[in-house]
Amino acid sequence: SQQGEEDPQALSIQEGENATMNCSYKTSINNLQWYRQNSGRGLVHLILIRSNEREKHSGRLRVTLDTSKKSSSLLITASRAADTASYFCATDVSGAQKLVFGQGTRLTINP
Amino acid sequence: GAGVSQSPSNKVTEKGKDVELRCDPISGHTALYWYRQSLGQGLEFLIYFQGNSAPDKSGLPSDRFSAERTGGSVSTLTIQRTQQEDSAVYLCASSHEPTGRTQYFGPGTRLLVL
Repeated sequence: SQQGEEDPQALSIQEGENATMNCSYKTSINNLQWYRQNSGRGLVHLILIRSNEREKHSGRLRVTLDTSKKSSSLLITASRAADTASYFCATDVSGAQKLVFGQGTRLTINP
Repeated sequence: GAGVSQSPSNKVTEKGKDVELRCDPISGHTALYWYRQSLGQGLEFLIYFQGNSAPDKSGLPSDRFSAERTGGSVSTLTIQRTQQEDSAVYLCASSHEPTGRTQYFGPGTRLLVL
């Protein structure tokens, strides 16, 4: 099964609400990253959290990391229609030289 | 250029034909990655380059797939004797260092094999 697995697979909320997406992984990591993808094309890096960090903020984004549970969450506050996209977590696995991406969460913000 | 570029943007080919997909990474980025993404799915790792060498090509699905990188810059992914199941978006990414760093993605090449 996947190293990174996001849930939910799809999330639909009203504009202004908060959106929370979760990611679980299986092996030791150096860091965990979140990316956004619009319209099935290139991914854009959002935020990176290192294995020794527990929480990180960037604008309306808040990421948490619990290495004991091997899980992370991405919170988008005060969502906007423009936040509609697919969101992927990616783990930088210890000893590997690549990121391992999850299947993604499709987020829809309804105006 | 300022970002990662890929060409062509879209490619339609007939089953059995060969295709070449090109990636121009960000100047100075030593690491380059190829991924494949089927419709509605996550990213499937194909191959990783550090400079011109490929320390990890474990994701190439068959011997019909190959890739090279020249001059530590441009990379070409070649698919020989294409099959319908090769239809996907092929994404290229580069990063300044191979591990623990942000990857910068190109817009992808959408390949359709008829």
